Amino acid sequence: NAGVTQTPKFQVLKTGQSMTLQCAQDMNHNSMYWYRQDPGMGLRLIYYSASEGTTDKGEVPNGYNVSRLNKREFSLRLESAAPSQTSVYFCATALDRVYEQYFGPGTRLTVT
Amino acid sequence: AQSVTQPDIHITVSEGASLELRCNYSYGATPYLFWYVQSPGQGLQLLLKYFSGDTLVQGIKGFEAEFKRSQSSFNLRKPSVHWSDAAEYFCAASGFQKLVFGTGTRLLVSP
Repeated sequence: NAGVTQTPKFQVLKTGQSMTLQCAQDMNHNSMYWYRQDPGMGLRLIYYSASEGTTDKGEVPNGYNVSRLNKREFSLRLESAAPSQTSVYFCATALDRVYEQYFGPGTRLTVT
Repeated sequence: AQSVTQPDIHITVSEGASLELRCNYSYGATPYLFWYVQSPGQGLQLLLKYFSGDTLVQGIKGFEAEFKRSQSSFNLRKPSVHWSDAAEYFCAASGFQKLVFGTGTRLLVSP
């Protein structure tokens, strides 16, 4: 029972490169979320998926896309990375929208 | 707009002393409330949650929190802090389809 897993743990990109961050959960949760965490800014919601088959924008969606591949997996894609996207990215899941969220270990991304 | 405020950015407590971290929320109705802890380089771990009922809730690692509707507060407490409690603490409240997080309080524990 791994809970919430994220890959990769670390990534360095050059400006303009693309990449996909992967998130998988074995908790049978319906809702999944992507956050970024920056010093002094707390956690900011990028996108979320309230249930399989749906995705919605959060607070800071520009420059990102998401795919809810199935109930278990929710990926975050950066099509053309920018230095402003240097951050730590967290995936989280919840049984349903209003309940507590469980977080993955994070991906530390640096864009040069 | 829904919001969660943690007024203290940093707090330093001596090991063995008591701790209280403040959290205030602004919502149309009483939301579900949560406290999370984040150790350096780690993800967030749920400490405790309040949905309804008893306004004093117990969590893991000896933490507790008290919901006060009249003050729109959900403060986190621990009677005796250990050095391993040094971390960042986030208060959160459930809104429509998502959680709203405070900006966090960093706890430093002095010997």
